[in-house]
Amino acid sequence: AQSVAQPEDQVNVAEGNPLTVKCTYSVSGNPYLFWYVQYPNRGLQFLLKYITGDNLVKGSYGFEAEFNKSQTSFHLKKPSALVSDSALYFCAVRENSGYALNFGKGTSLLVTP
Amino acid sequence: DAEITQSPRHKITETGRQVTLACHQTWNHNNMFWYRQDLGHGLRLIHYSYGVQDTNKGEVSDGYSVSRSNTEDLPLTLESAASSQTSVYFCASSRQANTGELFFGEGSRLTVL
Repeated sequence: AQSVAQPEDQVNVAEGNPLTVKCTYSVSGNPYLFWYVQYPNRGLQFLLKYITGDNLVKGSYGFEAEFNKSQTSFHLKKPSALVSDSALYFCAVRENSGYALNFGKGTSLLVTP
Repeated sequence: DAEITQSPRHKITETGRQVTLACHQTWNHNNMFWYRQDLGHGLRLIHYSYGVQDTNKGEVSDGYSVSRSNTEDLPLTLESAASSQTSVYFCASSRQANTGELFFGEGSRLTVL
């Protein structure tokens, strides 16, 4: 089965600094990869996806993600973090034989002023 | 605007009772999903549907059932609620395309006493 792993439970970064939230994947075939964000007591919101093409994918709120096939990674990045970016971030991969997504366990991002 | 709504947002019930969580979407999406979110587990797929009269089991389907009588609704039923089913439940929908991202509802927090 397709799967993703998020090796960090929590990432702390100071406001204005660049941030990276890590994700590695395990798939057979071409991966369809996604990042979502969840604010407290809210549903998940789509940030960006990689399907094919350019390895650098740009998404909502200034986030981007870099697809690296050799390292089987899909790390989420932002050049300059905001306090309002503090939230729970999920990486996900689409199942080969359907439309459901398999999610990682999530990484809590805390941006301090 | 099109949306996906869940009800109730909060529910407290007793062990052994039947509970139904409602999910309604107005995007006319064929695909609908139910996930549960638990600390340390991320999101896990319970059931999903790719169209009217179609239902499928996910990773953690034991104790749950769904039915799809129209495009807009996918209610989730706990036949006999157990304390292990205390969780936050999310409904999601997507269009029927390999690259389609999921759109999530705001969640239903269920407590089984």
